[in-house]
Amino acid sequence: NAGVTQTPKFRVLKTGQSMTLLCAQDMNHEYMYWYRQDPGMGLRLIHYSVGEGTTAKGEVPDGYNVSRLKKQNFLLGLESAAPSQTSVYFCASSPISGGYTGELFFGEGSRLTVL
Amino acid sequence: AQRVTQPEKLLSVFKGAPVELKCNYSYSGSPELFWYVQYSRQRLQLLLRHISRESIKGFTADLNKGETSFHLKKPFAQEEDSAMYYCALSGTSGTYKYIFGTGTRLKVLA
Repeated sequence: NAGVTQTPKFRVLKTGQSMTLLCAQDMNHEYMYWYRQDPGMGLRLIHYSVGEGTTAKGEVPDGYNVSRLKKQNFLLGLESAAPSQTSVYFCASSPISGGYTGELFFGEGSRLTVL
Repeated sequence: AQRVTQPEKLLSVFKGAPVELKCNYSYSGSPELFWYVQYSRQRLQLLLRHISRESIKGFTADLNKGETSFHLKKPFAQEEDSAMYYCALSGTSGTYKYIFGTGTRLKVLA
C-alpha cells in the first residue's frame, strides 16, 4: 500500500525560483494537510483542505499556494522561493470520523533548500 | 486561538525510569488530542488519541480539561522509546485545523 506519497523528496532552488510539491494519497481521505518542520519549531500547518476543490489557510500560509483539484492530490506551490522557506515539508491525510478528524497519515517528507 | 505547548525540547531519562512528556493546550471548545511519534528515519505516526483511551507501547495519556493538559506517561522507559514526540490538537464542530506542538525529543539512556 502506497498510503501518502510526496514528490520530489529533495530539491534545491535558487531564490526567486518557483516549484510545486505534489502529495498523493490512495486512501480516499477527505482531509489533506501541508506542514513544514523546522528545528525547535515543530510542525507548523501551512494550508489544509477538507475536500476536493476546497482549501484553507493554516498557521503560516504566506508565500505558499495550494490546490486540490482531485480528491487524491494536494499540491503545494512556491511562486518565488525565499531562503526562509528552506525546510522539510510534510503532507498528511485524514479520514472523517464521526465529526472528528481522525488519525493523520504522513508522507515521508520533502527536503527543500533555497539558496 | 488553538495552541499546543510542549515546554521541554529535550528530555533524557535512564532506562527503567518513569517518563512524563508534558503537553498543554488552548482551545475554546472540545478538542481532540493526540500524541504522534517520529522514530529515527521513519514517518510520523500516531501513538495514541484521547478518545480511544488506549495504552500503546506502555504509554498512556489522560486529558485533564481543568488544567488543559494531555501529558504522556510511561512507567518504565525503554531504549527503543527514544524518538521525537509531538502533541497535537484537532478542532471539532466544523473547524478541522490540526495543530502540533514544538515537539520533545526523548532520549533513553542505557
